Amino acid sequence: GQNIDQPTEMTATEGAIVQINCTYQTSGFNGLFWYQQHAGEAPTFLSYNVLDGLEEKGRFSSFLSRSKGYSYLLLKELQMKDSASYLCAVLGGATNKLIFGTGTLLAVQP
Amino acid sequence: ETGVTQTPRHLVMGMTNKKSLKCEQHLGHNAMYWYKQSAKKPLELMFVYNFKEQTENNSVPSRFSPECPNSSHLFLHLHTLQPEDSALYLCASSQDFPSTDTQYFGPGTRLTVL
Repeated sequence: GQNIDQPTEMTATEGAIVQINCTYQTSGFNGLFWYQQHAGEAPTFLSYNVLDGLEEKGRFSSFLSRSKGYSYLLLKELQMKDSASYLCAVLGGATNKLIFGTGTLLAVQP
Repeated sequence: ETGVTQTPRHLVMGMTNKKSLKCEQHLGHNAMYWYKQSAKKPLELMFVYNFKEQTENNSVPSRFSPECPNSSHLFLHLHTLQPEDSALYLCASSQDFPSTDTQYFGPGTRLTVL
């Protein structure tokens, strides 16, 4: 079956670093996406990993280990505006569809 | 306008009503998607269209009827819905399907079925 797990909620302090983990079990793998979704808004694309390793993009980095079925999103120098839900999604399955996790709601506190 | 737009942003309807959700993308993409997002559940893919042709129907009840007149517009026609259909309905587009292209989402329509 297809399964994506990520923590439901996390809390972090402004200026700090937070790591949001995602583990997956899917039939077929063609990459992993991270999206950010503020309440009442569209999910917005953050990163795409298809090869093992770390992809850095400004304050956000994403890591992938295909052999472990594991990814994380690293957010540095947290800002209040980073309070949002972070969605992990795997491109897989027989017809290459995006399979989403339930999302991790991050609360950044002063 | 740019990106993916959806109207209306909020909709309240009775179980016997008929309504339609509209999605428009200004990205020149060929593939468009409908997703359902319920509280504390993952986004669920409902339908995929590629070059106006439906390529995926994820076992969606017939009370949801999609329509894709061209690659830029996607509709979701709703009739005799149930209260459990209350959710955020998100539209997305990508260059093609199936592919590894990034999907870009609209802001969604918050649907409440009374």
